[in-house]
Amino acid sequence: EAGVTQSPTHLIKTRGQQVTLRCSPISGHTSVYWYQQALGLGLQFLLWYDEGEERNRGNFPPRFSGRQFPNYSSELNVNALELEDSALYLCASSLVERLDNEQFFGPGTRLTVL
Amino acid sequence: AQTVTQSQPEMSVQEAETVTLSCTYDTSESDYYLFWYKQPPSRQMILVIRQEAYKQQNATENRFSVNFQKAAKSFSLKISDSQLGDAAMYFCAYTGNQFYFGTGTSLTVIP
Repeated sequence: EAGVTQSPTHLIKTRGQQVTLRCSPISGHTSVYWYQQALGLGLQFLLWYDEGEERNRGNFPPRFSGRQFPNYSSELNVNALELEDSALYLCASSLVERLDNEQFFGPGTRLTVL
Repeated sequence: AQTVTQSQPEMSVQEAETVTLSCTYDTSESDYYLFWYKQPPSRQMILVIRQEAYKQQNATENRFSVNFQKAAKSFSLKISDSQLGDAAMYFCAYTGNQFYFGTGTSLTVIP
């Protein structure tokens, strides 16, 4: 069974640009989560989608947004990129919308903002 | 606000020995879940063990066990009979109304 996949693997952008990251959950999983993993800061929760709806949002500005498609894949959009947005962006999926559910993580997208 | 603190950025253990990784959290919620995730050098994180806050019994998964002290808001991970494959970054995580991860502990296993 294929795991969570993310694309692209690496991305280099300049300040002010916009970026879209993509995530495909494990087949059958309806919940998708996005995290930012900046150096030394651990994982910071960004967004949680389930059944196409945004269920929760972390403490990030509105220029971080996303959506979930009918096939449960998801996009994370970041507008007006800033240098501090440089990080590994991890996507995770879980079987159902339950807080105690194990999250399965993808390999991440490494974003570098110059 | 909820926070998760891992006070040990790096730990090392001899192969076959036991090591304990510390985690404390702060919350005002009564219903929540705690997790330990492992992130090997290949980067994909995997679940090690999970604990429901309403359960007093400590969770155990083979060589991995937790010491959950709800009143002290402490959730440590014990790895017994450490193996080379246990070398990874370990993250403590809290799930209540949101998801919070600690900053991680890098575990080195010495042959």
